[in-house]
Amino acid sequence: DAGVTQSPTHLIKTRGQQVTLRCSPKSGHDTVSWYQQALGQGPQFIFQYYEEEERQRGNFPDRFSGHQFPNYSSELNVNALLLGDSALYLCASSSSLGGAGELFFGEGSRLTVL
Amino acid sequence: AQSVSQHNHHVILSEAASLELGCNYSYGGTVNLFWYVQYPGQHLQLLLKYFSGDPLVKGIKGFEAEFIKSKFSFNLRKPSVQWSDTAEYFCAVNLMEYGNKLVFGAGTILRVKS
Repeated sequence: DAGVTQSPTHLIKTRGQQVTLRCSPKSGHDTVSWYQQALGQGPQFIFQYYEEEERQRGNFPDRFSGHQFPNYSSELNVNALLLGDSALYLCASSSSLGGAGELFFGEGSRLTVL
Repeated sequence: AQSVSQHNHHVILSEAASLELGCNYSYGGTVNLFWYVQYPGQHLQLLLKYFSGDPLVKGIKGFEAEFIKSKFSFNLRKPSVQWSDTAEYFCAVNLMEYGNKLVFGAGTILRVKS
């Protein structure tokens, strides 16, 4: 049973560029959430996707956008990268059918912005 | 704004010592509470959770946590730590009316000396 998979694992970009991160949820899960974990901090909620729509959003600017596909996989896009966007980006999946609040996390995509 | 506070950012213990990591949250409504653990080089994993019922919950690897509603606390304990417990521990709160959105504390890095 595959867990949550994310790609790429590491990437380096320069300021102003755009990046796309990808996530495949755990088998049987239909909801995907994205979190940003800066160095020395806990994960911060970016947004959540369910039924191909953004359902909730954290305190992140519109430069952060996402998408969910019919197979429940998801993408996180960040435009006009800033140095402060350097962080570990975590994808978490859950089921809308139960286990309220229990998330399964991937290993993350570490983004470095130079 | 809702927040989660973890009292210690770094804890160093010798093997067989007892562990208690503090966690407090600021939110007056119904919550689900979690402790996640991140071992070196691995993804976040669920250690234990509290939804309702007995406020003393037991998790994997001998960990337990006690929910004290009047103190808005959910402290993590283990009677005797092992070297393999070296990891970063995150307390997280799911605010029920906000769906599956977790608010995380900043984390506590535990190092167990053998």
